[in-house]
Amino acid sequence: GQQVMQIPQYQHVQEGEDFTTYCNSSTTLSNIQWYKQRPGGHPVFLIQLVKSGEVKKQKRLTFQFGEAKKNSSLHITATQTTDVGTYFCAAPNYGGATNKLIFGTGTLLAVQP
Amino acid sequence: DGGITQSPKYLFRKEGQNVTLSCEQNLNHDAMYWYRQDPGQGLRLIYYSQIVNDFQKGDIAEGYSVSREKKESFPLTVTSAQKNPTAFYLCATRRTANTEAFFGQGTRLTVV
Repeated sequence: GQQVMQIPQYQHVQEGEDFTTYCNSSTTLSNIQWYKQRPGGHPVFLIQLVKSGEVKKQKRLTFQFGEAKKNSSLHITATQTTDVGTYFCAAPNYGGATNKLIFGTGTLLAVQP
Repeated sequence: DGGITQSPKYLFRKEGQNVTLSCEQNLNHDAMYWYRQDPGQGLRLIYYSQIVNDFQKGDIAEGYSVSREKKESFPLTVTSAQKNPTAFYLCATRRTANTEAFFGQGTRLTVV
């Protein structure tokens, strides 16, 4: 089964509302990455978090890495229609296996104008 | 133009036939990956390779095979043993273990 879970699986918001997706791992992660996949497209890298408790911002996007390095979140403030897509977290060296890149189950974001 | 090329974009095959999906990169990245994505689902790791002539099974390797004879190429064969091969297949590369992944455009395989 999937080792990295994301919730919710799907979120529908009105444009201007906030959105948060949560990523949870059954094991401690060395670092975590976030990707966005537009409908019909391929995943594109957004950011990487390495330190326990780390918080990074990219314009309206805020990324957090949990203190125990087992969970992470992505928060979008004031969503826009351009934010539509599926957001994935990814564990780059899952289970201590160098280079084993495992993706979460993803959260599909729909934004209604 | 640098990047990852997957071909073809769409592929149709009859049930029981083996099919090989191509993935070529000119990024000079060591690590290469194959993922399967089903509608509304996440990316599941099939195989990955860290260097030439070496590869490891991912979480859903059964019914698939790969080779890594050249750094630039990591073809994936979907064999007749794969019970439900219809899916979107994505190839990715990484420069090192702690860098971001770059993806190809994907191949949509339909088995009829």
